[in-house]
Amino acid sequence: GAVVSQHPSWVICKSGTSVKIECRSLDFQATTMFWYRQFPKQSLMLMATSNEGSKATYEQGVEKDKFLINHASLTLSTLTVTSAHPEDSSFYICSARDQLASGKWDEQFFGPGTRLTVL
Amino acid sequence: DQQVKQNSPSLSVQEGRISILNCDYTNSMFDYFLWYKKYPAEGPTFLISISSIKDKNEDGRFTVFLNKSAKHLSLHIVPSQPGDSAVYFCAALKGSSNTGKLIFGQGTTLQVKP
Repeated sequence: GAVVSQHPSWVICKSGTSVKIECRSLDFQATTMFWYRQFPKQSLMLMATSNEGSKATYEQGVEKDKFLINHASLTLSTLTVTSAHPEDSSFYICSARDQLASGKWDEQFFGPGTRLTVL
Repeated sequence: DQQVKQNSPSLSVQEGRISILNCDYTNSMFDYFLWYKKYPAEGPTFLISISSIKDKNEDGRFTVFLNKSAKHLSLHIVPSQPGDSAVYFCAALKGSSNTGKLIFGQGTTLQVKP
């Protein structure tokens, strides 16, 4: 299957700082990438849908000014957690849909996730 | 509001036996469902899917059953193997195939004992 990478795999930061997480599709082009958040023992919650070259669409309750998403190319989307606080500590996972797979949700590939801990 | 629910957080079965993982949903407009498997420190990987026009889809050892009237789907793994030990998520597609999004359940941790 296709490969999606995330960097970093884990990060610890101080409260008030900003953290950038990268999501890359390594062997395919992705017009759409998704950012999820997962708390322990809970489901993956969609935060936003990122489309290449346009503004991200945020889910209800997700602060767009706090979670900045940039999808500058067909292989890279970034999520920046601005002024992070301990309650932002979570597991962040991205996924990417293959540009050629239009309509096929089976062709959505997930990154390994990034563990963010805010002290 | 949890629209997709996996009420069993964990399941333990013996190697060779059948594993049955269950998933319930609340929105009758959902018409496409997927199961994902997740190992620690890895992202979820697609396992099998089913459209609401079907009530069963089979792929090797994996079969997904859909009961629309009960808003319930299940994943059967037979025979179960130790390598199947992982967290399994069910997901429902909300919206159209082009602009929709996936709604996930909480996951069920499956342990297959040798």
